Amino acid sequence: NAGVTQTPKFRVLKTGQSMTLLCAQDMNHEYMYWYRQDPGMGLRLIHYSVGEGTTAKGEVPDGYNVSRLKKQNFLLGLESAAPSQTSVYFCASSYLAGGPKEQFFGPGTRLTVL
Amino acid sequence: GENVEQHPSTLSVQEGDSAVIKCTYSDSASNYFPWYKQELGKGPQLIIDIRSNVGEKKDQRIAVTLNKTAKHFSLHITETQPEDSAVYFCAARVNNAGNMLTFGGGTRLMVKP
Repeated sequence: NAGVTQTPKFRVLKTGQSMTLLCAQDMNHEYMYWYRQDPGMGLRLIHYSVGEGTTAKGEVPDGYNVSRLKKQNFLLGLESAAPSQTSVYFCASSYLAGGPKEQFFGPGTRLTVL
Repeated sequence: GENVEQHPSTLSVQEGDSAVIKCTYSDSASNYFPWYKQELGKGPQLIIDIRSNVGEKKDQRIAVTLNKTAKHFSLHITETQPEDSAVYFCAARVNNAGNMLTFGGGTRLMVKP
């Protein structure tokens, strides 16, 4: 099993450009999450999904959109990138059933917006 | 919403010494407290977790303690080794359907040989 994979690994954008980050998981997890990681601020939740076709806002959703058309994929879109969106983005997934479940993280995408 | 504070932000210890990282949380409804380790260039990985009905949990050289009354929890690493060098994150989960975690700001642990 590959676990959680993210593409691309690195990307440089100019202000105003758009892009989509792809997250895929092969563990049949129901829940998927997008976080951003900035120095000294830990990981902050951008959006999450509790199942195929559903999405919800997290702590810092402004400037981002997401889609979960297939259970195994969770896409994060930036319609008009801004320098404040320079960050490392992590995708994670977890099971639904039962109590709290471990979140499995991907390797991250480092995004720079000039 | 939940707020998690983590201290210290950096910690340097000599190999073989112990390391302690502390976190406080704000929402008394939080019921699950995982700790993640992030090595350079990789995503965070769960190393230990504790639920609100337990006061302490151990796994070999690592242990976590929880004080619900004071709303704080700590990670203890004994007999540190150079491979323990990494960034450690604490997190808290409020009992809700989304299994959402709120993370602390992270601690960079450096173990000197």
